Amino acid sequence: EIVLTQSPGTLSLSPGQRAILSCRASQSVSGSYLAWYQQKPGQVPRLLIYGASTRATGIPDRFIGSGSGTDFTLTISRLEPEDFAVYYCQQYGSSPPYPFGQGTKLEIK
Amino acid sequence: EVQLVQSGTEVKKPGESLRISCKGSGYSFTSYWISWVRQMPGKGLEWMGRIDPSDSYTNYSPSFQGHVTISADKSISTAYVQWSGLKASDTAMYYCARGSGRVDYWGQGTLVTVSS
Repeated sequence: EIVLTQSPGTLSLSPGQRAILSCRASQSVSGSYLAWYQQKPGQVPRLLIYGASTRATGIPDRFIGSGSGTDFTLTISRLEPEDFAVYYCQQYGSSPPYPFGQGTKLEIK
Repeated sequence: EVQLVQSGTEVKKPGESLRISCKGSGYSFTSYWISWVRQMPGKGLEWMGRIDPSDSYTNYSPSFQGHVTISADKSISTAYVQWSGLKASDTAMYYCARGSGRVDYWGQGTLVTVSS
């Protein structure tokens, strides 16, 4: 089973700054089948990125996914107030299970 | 409009059985996997397993295998997860979601509380 490790656990930044979130897999993720989700308190998770770098419908272009193999990154180019949330990665390549990472909390500094 | 509508909040005692549901609409229910995801209070997302509603083929996370059963009734576009013996540690929000990775639609969640 592939284990996903996200870092940092918490990231404290100000609006307008750039955020870089990391997701590292214990084995290579086949086909770059890696997704990123955003979850705000009391809300359902929202799909941001799939296939490592493709933005989901309606996701602003300040959200940029990159990476392959075992190392993946979500970059938020210029933070807006509504971007402060918890972010999860999930791998869905090859056979299940399809675990999530433990999450990165992006908080306002 | 794609919707996944889950059953309501449940309060149960340890050892009791429970089945919660997720009804899909606005799309071809048999064309997409349905996944179940657990979120314990204040914690992250945990992928429990998935079902192909067209033939009820399932996969489970090793962490949940043997403790929950995922099923579906394609005639009513509904997926289920059930427990035969709840534990306090099953207290959580449970989400159904369309897809197994690249999940694009989520149910609103079902809060399950297990307490004596």
